Amino acid sequence: DIQMTQSPSSVSASVGDRVTIACRASQGISSWLAWYQQKPGKAPKVLIYGASSLQRGVPSRFSGSGSGTDFTLTISSLQPEDFATYYCQQANSFPLTFGGGTKVEIK
Amino acid sequence: EVQLVESGGGLVQPGGSLRLSCAASGFMFSTYWMSFVRQAPGKGLEWVANIREDGGEKYYVDSVKGRFTISRDNTKNSLFLQMEGLRAEDTAVYYCARFSSTSSYHYGLDVWGQGTTVTVSS
Repeated sequence: DIQMTQSPSSVSASVGDRVTIACRASQGISSWLAWYQQKPGKAPKVLIYGASSLQRGVPSRFSGSGSGTDFTLTISSLQPEDFATYYCQQANSFPLTFGGGTKVEIK
Repeated sequence: EVQLVESGGGLVQPGGSLRLSCAASGFMFSTYWMSFVRQAPGKGLEWVANIREDGGEKYYVDSVKGRFTISRDNTKNSLFLQMEGLRAEDTAVYYCARFSSTSSYHYGLDVWGQGTTVTVSS
């Protein structure tokens, strides 16, 4: 099974800050990676697919990069509605696996 | 409107059974793989199962193999998860999701239901 490791597990940031979340796969997954945002009590929402493609309707302050084993989600200027938990997920092979999540909190 | 609506969750005793349903609308259900993902209280997301468009391929996380069965009825735009031998560790919110992927590209789990809660307790 492919293990997905996210870091940090939580980050405190202020509105306007640049936030970067890392995700590492235990083996190469090419670009078979998606990023999700989840707010409390809500279903996750896909932000990025194919490691770097922005889902339709997602603000351009979100971006993804990486290939192989190392990936990054960047929020260029944090907005109040961005405080949430973020997950990476690999789809290179079954079982699909998620990272442990990164909670973005208000500083 | 593209939508997934789950139902069937509830309280069940350890060892019991439950069948979750997911009704799809607003898209061509029969042309998509579908998934179940769960989230235990206060925990992260865990993929549970996937089923191919025609039901001919199914995959499961190891912890549910032999106990859970994913199925679909394309004539009724419906997805199901039959859960048997339930354990306390199966307690979670269960989401159905559309798995958008081709042989060369993964678009993510791009449509999610609202989730249905399964509680396994005596």
